[in-house]
Amino acid sequence: EAGVAQSPRYKIIEKRQSVAFWCNPISGHATLYWYQQILGQGPKLLIQFQNNGVVDDSQLPKDRFSAERLKGVDSTLKIQPAKLEDSAVYLCASSFGSGLAGFDDEQYFGPGTRLTVT
Amino acid sequence: AQSVTQLDSQVPVFEEAPVELRCNYSSSVSVYLFWYVQYPNQGLQLLLKYLSGSTLVKGINGFEAEFNKSQTSFHLRKPSVHISDTAEYFCAGANAGNNRKLIWGLGTSLAVNP
Repeated sequence: EAGVAQSPRYKIIEKRQSVAFWCNPISGHATLYWYQQILGQGPKLLIQFQNNGVVDDSQLPKDRFSAERLKGVDSTLKIQPAKLEDSAVYLCASSFGSGLAGFDDEQYFGPGTRLTVT
Repeated sequence: AQSVTQLDSQVPVFEEAPVELRCNYSSSVSVYLFWYVQYPNQGLQLLLKYLSGSTLVKGINGFEAEFNKSQTSFHLRKPSVHISDTAEYFCAGANAGNNRKLIWGLGTSLAVNP
């Protein structure tokens, strides 16, 4: 089966500009996640969707970050305006079920988008 | 506080040598534990997981991990590493709440040298 697709793979922008990332999950996966991975750290969950509803966005900086998952398939993550500290790899993942760890519900990760803010 | 601690940020090892990557979790983390691997310029891939049952868990690529409740540890081991095992390894645990969100360690960089 095809994996999780993300684009672009790399993006360089200046601070205060806006940027958008796209994710296409594995077909049939109900749950979609966006993570931020800063160099030298583990992934940090930004937002979790189940179908097209938000399950968890507690760590999403809502003053500048937004995400949507229209029709419960593809998703976009937007940053506006970007700050220097937003430089990171943005990972998208998907899982078949509700994403509750412990229910044999593996998260499959895309290759990520490396964002550099100058 | 909920936390997962990877005790080594970098582990250099020679090819064909054994390796152990250490991971400890806080008692407030549910005993659902995972190891992920991230090869250069690639996404994360699940190596193995402990949900219940046998405390020795076998994963892909010859890796295994042992859940030790008394020591709150979940160390990853491989008896003989290859150059291709060079990657970043992340330990993660599910939080104890209803959503069981993953709590991630900071990662261990494994460098296998010839």
